[in-house]
Amino acid sequence: AQSVTQPDIHITVSEGASLELRCNYSYGATPYLFWYVQSPGQGLQLLLKYFSGDTLVQGIKGFEAEFKRSQSSFNLRKPSVHWSDAAEYFCAVGLPGGYQKVTFGTGTKLQVIP
Amino acid sequence: ETGVTQTPRHLVMGMTNKKSLKCEQHLGHNAMYWYKQSAKKPLELMFVYSLEERVENNSVPSRFSPECPNSSHLFLHLHTLQPEDSALYLCASSQDSGRREQYFGPGTRLTVT
Repeated sequence: AQSVTQPDIHITVSEGASLELRCNYSYGATPYLFWYVQSPGQGLQLLLKYFSGDTLVQGIKGFEAEFKRSQSSFNLRKPSVHWSDAAEYFCAVGLPGGYQKVTFGTGTKLQVIP
Repeated sequence: ETGVTQTPRHLVMGMTNKKSLKCEQHLGHNAMYWYKQSAKKPLELMFVYSLEERVENNSVPSRFSPECPNSSHLFLHLHTLQPEDSALYLCASSQDSGRREQYFGPGTRLTVT
């Protein structure tokens, strides 16, 4: 079965600083990969996705992620963080075929300080 | 209405009550999901419906009963819940053709007293 690891439970960055959130997955083949963001009291919003092709994917709100097969990683990045980016971020792995059975990581809570 | 909607947004119920959570998707998708999100635990998949047929039931207690009358609507019927069932219940939908991401509703915050 696939699994997802987000090693950082909580990260604090200064507004305007760069951000990288780590995600590692375990799966025999290349899975579908997702990053979601959740603001307090809200559902999850899709930031970006990777299915195949270019390993650097662009998402909404200025986020990007890079798939590295050799490291089984799909890290999320943003060059300059805004206070409104404070939220919880979830990496997810999906299996190809049929309905999307997705496994979510435990999340990384991002705090942005002025 | 657009996207995925859920009602009610907040629900407080006693352990002997019966209530239902409703989810509606306006995206033309044909797969729908119920997730449970508890504090400090990973998101737990509860049920999956594909083309109105239940395709996954992740060992969920029988006090949770899903219903999918059509591809746009999903219900979660609740009865004789326990305090540990208090959580955020999220509904999601996707297009059931493989390479499709899930879209989530805002969730129902359930408190069992």
